[in-house]
Amino acid sequence: GAVVSQHPSRVICKSGTSVKIECRSLDFQATTMFWYRQFPKQSLMLMATSNEGSKATYEQGVEKDKFLINHASLTLSTLTVTSAHPEDSSFYICSVSSGFEQYFGPGTRLTVT
Amino acid sequence: GQQLNQSPQSMFIQEGEDVSMNCTSSSIFNTWLWYKQDPGEGPVLLIALYKAGELTSNGRLTAQFGITRKDSFLNISASIPSDVGIYFCAGSEYGNKLVFGAGTILRVKS
Repeated sequence: GAVVSQHPSRVICKSGTSVKIECRSLDFQATTMFWYRQFPKQSLMLMATSNEGSKATYEQGVEKDKFLINHASLTLSTLTVTSAHPEDSSFYICSVSSGFEQYFGPGTRLTVT
Repeated sequence: GQQLNQSPQSMFIQEGEDVSMNCTSSSIFNTWLWYKQDPGEGPVLLIALYKAGELTSNGRLTAQFGITRKDSFLNISASIPSDVGIYFCAGSEYGNKLVFGAGTILRVKS
């Protein structure tokens, strides 16, 4: 399967600031990546589908102006949480799509104070 | 929208016992995937199923894609302490977008 990395693994930021999370596909050229959010003791919730060279597709209820996604290359997608608030604190996980399978990164723990 | 019902919600079993968990859907899926997630990490793909009736094994793990295409189960034989974690089923109706079950928390008594 594909090997996926995320950076940073943990980040703490102040309310009102923006945070960028990187997702890299290390051994696979990924035209499609996904971004998920996971709250404690809950399942993964898909936020958006990131397509290389085009705009991301956001799930219903996810604010596209707040969660900016850029997929500028076949190996890198970034998620920027703009004007973060404490309720944005969560575990953010990306995945790459290989056929019908998805391979996940290790996740980024975001804490907004 | 699509929904997956995963059960049981949690299990606390004795080391060496077999474990079984399942997922059912209100929709027909073309793909069923089973993942394991350890605390603070991303999910790891365990088994992928593509055909109705398919039975696939990966070491001590066995999973089946239900004939109706609306269900799947995962069995773990002879559980060991490192099997502890959260197991998620995920299904895809079309394309490559996944819907996840709520997860089964597995705890093993050594």
